Amino acid sequence: GAVVSQHPSRVICKSGTSVKIECRSLDFQATTMFWYRQFPKQSLMLMATSNEGSKATYEQGVEKDKFLINHASLTLSTLTVTSAHPEDSSFYICSASWTVHGYTFGSGTRLTVV
Amino acid sequence: QKEVEQNSGPLSVPEGAIASLNCTYSDRVSQSFFWYRQYSGKSPELIMSIYSNGDKEDGRFTAQLNKASQYVSLLIRDSQPSDSATYLCAVNNFGNEKLTFGTGTRLTIIP
Repeated sequence: GAVVSQHPSRVICKSGTSVKIECRSLDFQATTMFWYRQFPKQSLMLMATSNEGSKATYEQGVEKDKFLINHASLTLSTLTVTSAHPEDSSFYICSASWTVHGYTFGSGTRLTVV
Repeated sequence: QKEVEQNSGPLSVPEGAIASLNCTYSDRVSQSFFWYRQYSGKSPELIMSIYSNGDKEDGRFTAQLNKASQYVSLLIRDSQPSDSATYLCAVNNFGNEKLTFGTGTRLTIIP
């Protein structure tokens, strides 16, 4: 149980285009999901907390207009990287809380902007 | 001061030996503690969670929590080459769903 599916696993896009990443909870309802970014040899950095039916809460320094988060249902949250640039190339990972203390992670999306 | 600190390593341990990974945290109200394993290019997977002082064992893994010292550790017994990975310590604070991660310790098990 508590499976989070994340797609795509890998995407290459041209600079200036937008990319959408989906995160689905398959066997539970996730009122809260989290989006992380991880650069090589660094730890996970929380970008934003996604709440179903309301606006996402972004961490300090994360551009809201660049990283659009939508959590329209209890099983789906999406992250759209708008006008992507090479510096946005990173490993993006979503996570969902399935119990008071339990968190499960998606498989991650490797974004490369060329 | 970083909220969650780990020795970045690399930590090299002979196969069959005990690997000891350490983590300290700064926020005294922290209540939930997690150890995740992350293979290169993959997302983290949960190994252990611990909420109370003392030891918690699961197979070859033992998590130890000392809230007075703000210290949590992970012991891996009978280390295997497949245990080679980066181990992330994560902390959840009271009333806050967010997880705060340490920088991770890279562990290499030497055959």
